[in-house]
Amino acid sequence: AQTVTQSQPEMSVQEAETVTLSCTYDTSESDYYLFWYKQPPSRQMILVIRQEAYKQQNATENRFSVNFQKAAKSFSLKISDSQLGDAAMYFCACPYSGNTPLVFGKGTRLSVIA
Amino acid sequence: NAGVTQTPKFQVLKTGQSMTLQCAQDMNHNSMYWYRQDPGMGLRLIYYSASEGTTDKGEVPNGYNVSRLNKREFSLRLESAAPSQTSVYFCASSAPDRVRYEQYFGPGTRLTVT
Repeated sequence: AQTVTQSQPEMSVQEAETVTLSCTYDTSESDYYLFWYKQPPSRQMILVIRQEAYKQQNATENRFSVNFQKAAKSFSLKISDSQLGDAAMYFCACPYSGNTPLVFGKGTRLSVIA
Repeated sequence: NAGVTQTPKFQVLKTGQSMTLQCAQDMNHNSMYWYRQDPGMGLRLIYYSASEGTTDKGEVPNGYNVSRLNKREFSLRLESAAPSQTSVYFCASSAPDRVRYEQYFGPGTRLTVT
C-alpha cells in the first residue's frame, strides 16, 4: 500500500514566484520526522527540510517552508522566490513505523520558468 | 569527509552477467540502505541493514543479494542480471538518533542491462 502520496507528478512556477508541492502520508508512529529531498539533474539526493511531528511550529529553511497538518497527515513544501536552481525532482519521505526505513513518495518534477 | 561513496558510477551488463555494486560511508552510521529509482516510481527500497551483521528485505528484493561487510561497507549483488534491473541504484546511510532515519545518499549508479 502506498503510504506516501505526492499527487502532483509535475509542477511549474515562474521565477521569483511561490509554489507549493503536496504530500500526504500514513504512519503508525506518533513521534516521527518528515523530510523533503531534492534531486537536481545531477542525480544527487539533497535534504531540503525536516519537520518534527511533535512540534506545532512549521519548519523553515531560508526560502523553503512546510505546512504540516498532523491530523490530516499532510506535509506540503512551499518554495518562495523560486530560482532557476530550484528546478528538480522533489521527494517527500516518512517512516511508516519505528522499525522500518523511510518510505518515499513518487516525486514531483518542478520546472522553473525564466 | 567523503560521506557516502558508490562505485561504479555507470555500468552496462549483458543479460545473465553478475556484478556487485559497492557502497561505503565514513560517517560512522549504523544503518545502510539500497534503493532503486525508476521513472515514475520514486525510490524503492531493495534491502537495508539496520546495524552491522543484520540485513532485511525491502519492497523489491527479488534478484538481489546484499552483504554488510563491516560498519562502513554495504554491497549489492546482482547474480544474474535481467533487463528489468536496468535502473539507477542509490546507497544511503543513517544514524538513528533524535533525527530518526534521516538518510544521506551516495551519488548513484546508473546500470543498464541489455
